[in-house]
Amino acid sequence: TQLLEQSPQFLSIQEGENLTVYCNSSSVFSSLQWYRQEPGEGPVLLVTVVTGGEVKKLKRLTFQFGDARKDSSLHITAAQPGDTGLYLCAGSPQGGSEKLVFGKGTKLTVNP
Amino acid sequence: DTEVTQTPKHLVMGMTNKKSLKCEQHMGHRAMYWYKQKAKKPPELMFVYSYEKLSINESVPSRFSPECPNSSLLNLHLHALQPEDSALYLCASSLLPRTASSSYNSPLHFGNGTRLTVT
Repeated sequence: TQLLEQSPQFLSIQEGENLTVYCNSSSVFSSLQWYRQEPGEGPVLLVTVVTGGEVKKLKRLTFQFGDARKDSSLHITAAQPGDTGLYLCAGSPQGGSEKLVFGKGTKLTVNP
Repeated sequence: DTEVTQTPKHLVMGMTNKKSLKCEQHMGHRAMYWYKQKAKKPPELMFVYSYEKLSINESVPSRFSPECPNSSLLNLHLHALQPEDSALYLCASSLLPRTASSSYNSPLHFGNGTRLTVT
């Protein structure tokens, strides 16, 4: 069974600070997706990374896929209260499974 | 606004009731999913439909019964639930099901869920 370890589980920071969320595994994934879920809503896709070493930027968010495709990180610069939410990484297993592997999530709170 | 619509938004039911959750998408997606989510936890997969056929059942108790009447609709029929079944039930869709020849899974488009309380 492929697992994704996500850390930290909880993060509470002040507006303007930087942060990084990690998603690690001992297994190789075909791709990694990052989602953000706000209270009362379903998760929304932020990005998909596919190639080892790939870096994608979405405004103040930077996503990286590890060279070996076993890990990924999400870095937020100058966090804002609107970034508050549950961040989930989800991996596409090798072998064609229809089931995404989700990390346990990072609950981020950005205080004004 | 999400492109996956779930109804109702909230549902309170007794343990002897029968109710149904509904999900609809008009994006032409051919894979649809039911997930269960407890507070501050990741979604847990329950069922996957690929081209309107049930392809994955994650050993879900028979008191949950999925149905896919057509490519746009997905239902979850509930009967004789337990209080521990109280959760947010999320429907999702993706463009295509993953197959052995697919490079990776298509991204999921989630609805905003049905908040279910079993009393």
